[in-house]
Amino acid sequence: EPEVTQTPSHQVTQMGQEVILRCVPISNHLYFYWYRQILGQKVEFLVSFYNNEISEKSEIFDDQFSVERPDGSNFTLKIRSTKLEDSAMYFCASKAGGTDTQYFGPGTRLTVL
Amino acid sequence: AQKVTQAQTEISVVEKEDVTLDCVYETRDTTYYLFWYKQPPSGELVFLIRRNSFDEQNEISGRYSWNFQKSTSSFNFTITASQVVDSAVYFCALSEARRGSQGNLIFGKGTKLSVKP
Repeated sequence: EPEVTQTPSHQVTQMGQEVILRCVPISNHLYFYWYRQILGQKVEFLVSFYNNEISEKSEIFDDQFSVERPDGSNFTLKIRSTKLEDSAMYFCASKAGGTDTQYFGPGTRLTVL
Repeated sequence: AQKVTQAQTEISVVEKEDVTLDCVYETRDTTYYLFWYKQPPSGELVFLIRRNSFDEQNEISGRYSWNFQKSTSSFNFTITASQVVDSAVYFCALSEARRGSQGNLIFGKGTKLSVKP
């Protein structure tokens, strides 16, 4: 069964460093998303991406964040200058065209020291 | 504004008990989708069910059942004869279905279910 994959599973970085979180969505899916979950809290929407551009973004998704689909398979989230409060689990999700269900990857745990 | 409320933060039951997880939502949209996701201790988010706002039929899948009531804006989830493997955090989520929307999910805070042997 096809699934969303994410790498790395855990990333530790120093405050101020740039990080790139990688996702490979399900191959025939057209809509891509990033969510984050601060430890013990609810899952929050960051950004949606369709047709090679951002469709919607939340207030959390400020200028420090960017997304890219550099090739036909990867979907990345970049945080330019990480802050302590960026420590969270980051989930990638994808959805097929004409459907309503998003399938999530296993997440990347980001720890900012 | 859209909102999902899961008032039960934690529930603890003994194996074989039935348990119902509550979900109440708010939306101005007439067309929307409701979801339940399971997050086991390993951390991934597992899709369980999707319901659209026009379909109020209750659904049963094995030991799981869902009760959708538009009149009370609720979408409750019942596990019958709970098992230790059901221990997880369960999230209820809502998405818009309006034209042009990408269906971003709005999650509740989750209910942590502990099933003890």
